[in-house]
Amino acid sequence: EDQVTQSPEALRLQEGESSSLNCSYTVSGLRGLFWYRQDPGKGPEFLFTLYSAGEEKEKERLKATLTKKESFLHITAPKPEDSATYLCAVQASNSGYALNFGKGTSLLVTP
Amino acid sequence: GAVVSQHPSWVICKSGTSVKIECRSLDFQATTMFWYRQFPKQSLMLMATSNEGSKATYEQGVEKDKFLINHASLTLSTLTVTSAHPEDSSFYICSALTGNYEQYFGPGTRLTVT
Repeated sequence: EDQVTQSPEALRLQEGESSSLNCSYTVSGLRGLFWYRQDPGKGPEFLFTLYSAGEEKEKERLKATLTKKESFLHITAPKPEDSATYLCAVQASNSGYALNFGKGTSLLVTP
Repeated sequence: GAVVSQHPSWVICKSGTSVKIECRSLDFQATTMFWYRQFPKQSLMLMATSNEGSKATYEQGVEKDKFLINHASLTLSTLTVTSAHPEDSSFYICSALTGNYEQYFGPGTRLTVT
């Protein structure tokens, strides 16, 4: 059975304090791994898709990396506006393009 | 990025009534859309896959007669919650699949059944 585990569950950072969020996964065949940002009361906002081990993608202060067993979302010099829940999801090759989500990491960045 | 809208953004209905939620892809066509449900402090749970011109595929444990899905065009899918009860109160979110198989989400619909 496909599984997605995110850690930590919650993270509090000071502004400028870089850190990484982890997403461990087991899937029968990975088509893609997705990162989303979700603000309270809103739908998830697409950040990145990673398809193969070794792939990296960057967007502003965020960088996503992928290995065969996990993905990391690195946040460099975060700002308070980066506070949100970050969701990781896997798309299995036999899933019909549906996403299996982890429980998310709730990030709070304080000034 | 691709834009997906939902309507309404929130709705309150009485127990026993039905409510329809619309999901539209605004700047692209989507043969496949998905409906998710999210309870407070929890992640998204897939309810069903909606395919244009064919019947929806429901996840195990989701009542197809209660959650009616119609995907009548390449830009519109609807979810109707029939005979709603308080336990159906939740945050319903749709997503649409782009041509390169990425999912873009709508802003969600908060349903409260009294």
